[in-house]
Amino acid sequence: AQSVTQLGSHVSVSEGALVLLRCNYSSSVPPYLFWYVQYPNQGLQLLLKYTSAATLVKGINGFEAEFKKSETSFHLTKPSAHMSDAAEYFCAVIHNQAGTALIFGKGTTLSVSS
Amino acid sequence: DAGVIQSPRHEVTEMGQEVTLRCKPISGHNSLFWYRQTMMRGLELLIYFNNNVPIDDSGMPEDRFSAKMPNASFSTLKIQPSEPRDSAVYFCASSPVSGTEAFFGQGTRLTVV
Repeated sequence: AQSVTQLGSHVSVSEGALVLLRCNYSSSVPPYLFWYVQYPNQGLQLLLKYTSAATLVKGINGFEAEFKKSETSFHLTKPSAHMSDAAEYFCAVIHNQAGTALIFGKGTTLSVSS
Repeated sequence: DAGVIQSPRHEVTEMGQEVTLRCKPISGHNSLFWYRQTMMRGLELLIYFNNNVPIDDSGMPEDRFSAKMPNASFSTLKIQPSEPRDSAVYFCASSPVSGTEAFFGQGTRLTVV
C-alpha cells in the first residue's frame, strides 16, 4: 500500500525566505505524486504533479518539487516566500493504475511573517 | 465549468438525526471521492466510485455511514444516526480519469451537537 509522510506539521519562514516543505513516499510501484494547497475555509487546490516525466516539476505560484527516487522524496520548494503563501500544504500519492484514489499526508501549515 | 459543487456548505444537526451531504462532480469526470478532514486524523478517504460503481468503501468508519451515486452527476453521503464525533469537514472530489489528480469541492462543515 502507498503512503506519504510529511515532516513537520508547522513551518515558519520570513517573507522573502526560501520555503521547503518535506514529503517522503512509500510505494511498491512507481507512484504519481502531488502537492495540494488549502487556504482557510476552502477546498484543496492542485499546486503541481509528478507523473513520471521530468523529475523537476514546476507548479503554480512559483512552487516547484523534485522527485528523487533514491531518497523516496518529493519536497516542495519556493525561492522566496510571500505573505499570500500562508496556507496548509498536502502531499499526496496515487498508483498509476485504474481504480485507485489519492492518499494524503497529514499536512504542513506554512506561516509567513513580515 | 463550475467545478465540484457540494451542498450544504454548513450543517448543524442534533445527535441522532440523519444527515445527507450532496455532491455534483465536474461533468465528464468518471471518478468520485468522499474525504473527511479533522484536526486529529487529517484527510481520510471514505469511499470512491468509478463510473458510478463503488470501488473501495474500506474507509467508511461505521455502518452509520453510507454513500450512493445514482448517476454520473450526483452523489450523496448519508450519516444515520449522526454522533458528535462525526463533526468534520467532508469533501467531495472528482477525477477525469482514474489514477490521476482530483478536483475538490469547497467542502461541507458538519457540526453534530
